[in-house]
Amino acid sequence: AQTVTQSQPEMSVQEAETVTLSCTYDTSESDYYLFWYKQPPSRQMILVIRQEAYKQQNATENRFSVNFQKAAKSFSLKISDSQLGDAAMYFCAYSGGSNYKLTFGKGTLLTVNP
Amino acid sequence: EAQVTQNPRYLITVTGKKLTVTCSQNMNHEYMSWYRQDPGLGLRQIYYSMNVEVTDKGDVPEGYKVSRKEKRNFPLILESPSPNQTSLYFCASRPLDSGKVDTQYFGPGTRLTVL
Repeated sequence: AQTVTQSQPEMSVQEAETVTLSCTYDTSESDYYLFWYKQPPSRQMILVIRQEAYKQQNATENRFSVNFQKAAKSFSLKISDSQLGDAAMYFCAYSGGSNYKLTFGKGTLLTVNP
Repeated sequence: EAQVTQNPRYLITVTGKKLTVTCSQNMNHEYMSWYRQDPGLGLRQIYYSMNVEVTDKGDVPEGYKVSRKEKRNFPLILESPSPNQTSLYFCASRPLDSGKVDTQYFGPGTRLTVL
């Protein structure tokens, strides 16, 4: 079974600085997708960034980028120029196989200090 | 507006009183799924459906039922709720013919408390 591990329950960053959230996963599939979701206090699940495993190039979305290391099964999220609105719970998720299930990590609570 | 809706958004009930949480999507998606979120555990899949009349268990199906009689709706049924089903519930949907695009769209969540 696939597993997703987020080893940092909580992280903090100063406004305007850069922070990296860690995620590792385990799978025997060769074709899969990885995601980072943001959950603000409103509880809405917001897709931040997506990476297809067959793509070697790391995905980027404005201030958000990933470091995807397929051999190491690592998928970290870098947030540059952190803003107060980035404060939220961040979930790393994996999707692969025939049932399209998303397997989530336990989350990392990010605090942004002014 | 493309969206997934859930009702109710908040519910407090008592042990054993049957309840249904509705989920509806207006994007003509074949795939729909229910997740529950608990502190320290992330989100876990309860049930999913590949299309009308096709449903299957996820990782934590005990105590839940689902049905998929129409493509747009995927209700979650708790026939005899217990306090350990107190949780935040999310419905999600995605198309199956999206090729390499694999993004699920989430509803706003339903906060359920079972006393």
